[in-house]
This record gives sequence, structure tokens and C-alpha cells, in this order.
Amino acid sequence: GENVEQHPSTLSVQEGDSAVIKCTYSDSASNYFPWYKQELGKRPQLIIDIRSNVGEKKDQRIAVTLNKTAKHFSLHITETQPEDSAVYFCAASRGRLGSSNTGKLIFGQGTTLQVKP
Amino acid sequence: EAQVTQNPRYLITVTGKKLTVTCSQNMNHEYMSWYRQDPGLGLRQIYYSMNVEVTDKGDVPEGYKVSRKEKRNFPLILESPSPNQTSLYFCASSAVAGETQYFGPGTRLLVL
Repeated sequence: GENVEQHPSTLSVQEGDSAVIKCTYSDSASNYFPWYKQELGKRPQLIIDIRSNVGEKKDQRIAVTLNKTAKHFSLHITETQPEDSAVYFCAASRGRLGSSNTGKLIFGQGTTLQVKP
Repeated sequence: EAQVTQNPRYLITVTGKKLTVTCSQNMNHEYMSWYRQDPGLGLRQIYYSMNVEVTDKGDVPEGYKVSRKEKRNFPLILESPSPNQTSLYFCASSAVAGETQYFGPGTRLLVL
């Protein structure tokens, strides 16, 4: 069935270092890949997303890369700050241009990122 | 302010006592969905709705019901809650299926 594997499950970095979280998806029809950040006790919030027609997208200190051939995508956070500490979820979906589109987001298991001051 | 709201935010109940968690969005979104979040399992879809009067099962629908009589509302119904339904529940909506989903604040449910 559809599946998204996310690694690592926990990640601890020093403030100012970079953090990388990787996800692999199984459904080759997936074409929309959002990343959500969830702070403790809060709702998941979209931080960046990418569609299959591009290989990389950047927004300030955050970037996402996509390798459709290998079916994996990654989140890169540079110059990490303590406020980046949270749980990060990747997800995959057959976006609006996909066939048999149920709109379902398949989530990875989450990565707990700790940024030490 | 564009938002998804859920009520109640916290709920403690007993096995077998029917309950409803409400979800409402003010963005005129067609697509709405319910997820449950459990430690180590991430978020799993319970039910979704492509539009008014159109609902379908997600990955973990057992023990849940939904309805979509109006575009803005998508309540989650637990007819006979059991302890294994203790979880954190999120409602989400998007303009159409496959677009960015926006999440409600979550409902933490404890079934004794």
C-alpha cells in the first residue's frame, strides 16, 4: 500500500548547524510533497511544499529537494535556531493533477528536531 | 480570519457514550478530512469528504462516522467510543483534493 518512510526519528543539532530530514514514498503517482512543523501541543503547520515538476524549492533557511526517480525528498534547514525545535512531518499526495485523487496525505512518522543553544 | 475550528479541544468520556467532535472552516473549501495522531504512527486519515454529501473512508475508519451536510462543517461521530480511540484528532481542509491542507487546533480525547 501507500507508504512514506521518514528518517531520522530524532535529530539533535547545535544552534547554527544544518539539519536534514529524509523521506521516501512508495506511490509513484504522488506529485505533491508538503512538509509540516508541529510544535508541542499545537497543530501541524505547513512550512514548505514542492510539486513533482520541480526538483528544489527554497524559502529563506528552509529548502526541499525532490528526486522522483528515487522516490525520495528531503527537508534542509540551515543556520538552525532554538525555535526550530519541533516535530517535522513529511507527506505525499496525488495532487490535483493526479489520477484517482482522493486528496489523502500520507504522512511520515515524524522527526523530533532539537536545536541546542 | 481564515481558519479551521474544532470543538471541544479536550474531552474525557467513558466507553460506549456517543460523542461528536465538530469541525468548521470558513474558507469555502471543498475538501475536508479527519486524522488521528498517535505516538510513533504519525497522522492517519480516518475519513475525508470531497464536497457536500460526498464522504469516504480513509485508512482507519472503524468506529467512526462522519457527515457533510454543509460545505463548512464536517463533524466526526463516535457512536460507541472505546479506549483504543483515545488519541489526538485533527480536522483539516483544502480548497480542493490534493491542495495544501490546513489543520484545526486538535481535539484530545480520552476514553476510559
